[in-house]
Amino acid sequence: GAVVSQHPSRVICKSGTSVKIECRSLDFQATTMFWYRQFPKQSLMLMATSNEGSKATYEQGVEKDKFLINHASLTLSTLTVTSAHPEDSSFYICSVKRPENTEAFFGQGTRLTVV
Amino acid sequence: AQTVTQSQPEMSVQEAETVTLSCTYDTSESDYYLFWYKQPPSRQMILVIRQEAYKQQNATENRFSVNFQKAAKSFSLKISDSQLGDAAMYFCAYSLGAQKLVFGQGTRLTINP
Repeated sequence: GAVVSQHPSRVICKSGTSVKIECRSLDFQATTMFWYRQFPKQSLMLMATSNEGSKATYEQGVEKDKFLINHASLTLSTLTVTSAHPEDSSFYICSVKRPENTEAFFGQGTRLTVV
Repeated sequence: AQTVTQSQPEMSVQEAETVTLSCTYDTSESDYYLFWYKQPPSRQMILVIRQEAYKQQNATENRFSVNFQKAAKSFSLKISDSQLGDAAMYFCAYSLGAQKLVFGQGTRLTINP
C-alpha cells in the first residue's frame, strides 16, 4: 500500500487565494519531509525541507512567505501557497525518507492550476 | 554543490531489446547514495534501483541493473528485455543519507512495439 498520502491530487484556485496541500506519512514517523516542484517536462526541484517542530529550510530562490510549510506532527506536513498567481501553477510533490535505509517515498503529487 | 547530469533527453528502444541510460554526478563526498526513479504518465515517482557508494558490487533488480563507476562518477541504468510498461521518464538522483535528493534532468524512454 501507499507509504505517503498527498492531498488534493488536483486543485484549481483563483488568483490571490491560498491553497493548502497535505502530505502524510502513513507507514512511519518522519521528522523530515521534502517538498518538490516540477514544471512540465522538467525535473523535480527541491523547494524546502520540512522539519518537525521547527522551521522549514528553504532552498535558495524559494519565497518563504509565499510557500508556507508547517510540520506540526511526525506524520503530517502541509504546504500552503499563499496569494497564488498563475505562475505558481505547477506539480507539487512531497517525499518522505525512511530513516534506516534512506529510501525515499513520494506522494502522488498535486497539480495546482491558478486561474 | 552536488549536481546530477543526464545527457540523454530522450531514448527509444525496441520491445525486448536492451537500453542503457546515462548519468554522471559531481560530489566531493565519499559516502553517498545513488538512485534511479521512474515517473510514468501518472507522475507517481517509483524507485527502480539504488546503489550505496561504499559498495563495489553493482546493484541489480530483476531486469534492471546499474554500472556504477565511482572514480568516473558515472551511474548508468541498463534495462534488459524492455517492456511496454517501462515507458516513462527516468530520473537519476543523488543523496547523502537522510538528506534531500538531487535529481538529474531526466530521460524520456519510449518503447517501440
